[in-house]
Amino acid sequence: DTGVSQDPRHKITKRGQNVTFRCDPISEHNRLYWYRQTLGQGPEFLTYFQNEAQLEKSRLLSDRFSAERPKGSFSTLEIQRTEQGDSAMYLCASNRDNSNQPQHFGDGTRLSIL
Amino acid sequence: DQQVKQNSPSLSVQEGRISILNCDYTNSMFDYFLWYKKYPAEGPTFLISISSIKDKNEDGRFTVFLNKSAKHLSLHIVPSQPGDSAVYFCAASRRGGSNYKLTFGKGTLLTVNP
Repeated sequence: DTGVSQDPRHKITKRGQNVTFRCDPISEHNRLYWYRQTLGQGPEFLTYFQNEAQLEKSRLLSDRFSAERPKGSFSTLEIQRTEQGDSAMYLCASNRDNSNQPQHFGDGTRLSIL
Repeated sequence: DQQVKQNSPSLSVQEGRISILNCDYTNSMFDYFLWYKKYPAEGPTFLISISSIKDKNEDGRFTVFLNKSAKHLSLHIVPSQPGDSAVYFCAASRRGGSNYKLTFGKGTLLTVNP
């Protein structure tokens, strides 16, 4: 069990640029979740996948955000035309469907918009 | 609208004493509750969970109590150790387990003094 892996750990970019984050879940975990955490807040749900199917998206996920999990393994989260308000920690979690396992989180990608 | 509330931003206790962290929720559809611990620069780590069909769950030094009528849960840590110093998040789910999005509180910073 190597844990949930996220890359990069930190990303600094200028406003208006596009960024992409990657999440590698624990192997054999078919559910994958994205959350966002801002300072002083708990993680907020963005979206989740079962295998390659995206089952739900939060209203927090504007049109500038897109997430994919093309082969049901790793996932990417892309933010287009970044804004100051996108600065946050982006967390990925995974677990196995119908196992009642808790969601296991990665260490996150911290995004800073200049 | 905060559906999961942790009203104490911080708590300080002496090593060896009991730590009690509290959480309130407003959504009566929540039926599964979890506690996560978070160290700086790391992702949340699962601690303990409880289903709404129970009122208590114990795992070593950690016990979670659920009062459904009051929509209140608490995490007891006995005895507290300096390594327990971290931010603790309460989370809730609506579908009877961890295979759905989690709604988090804002967290409580626990400091255990030697």
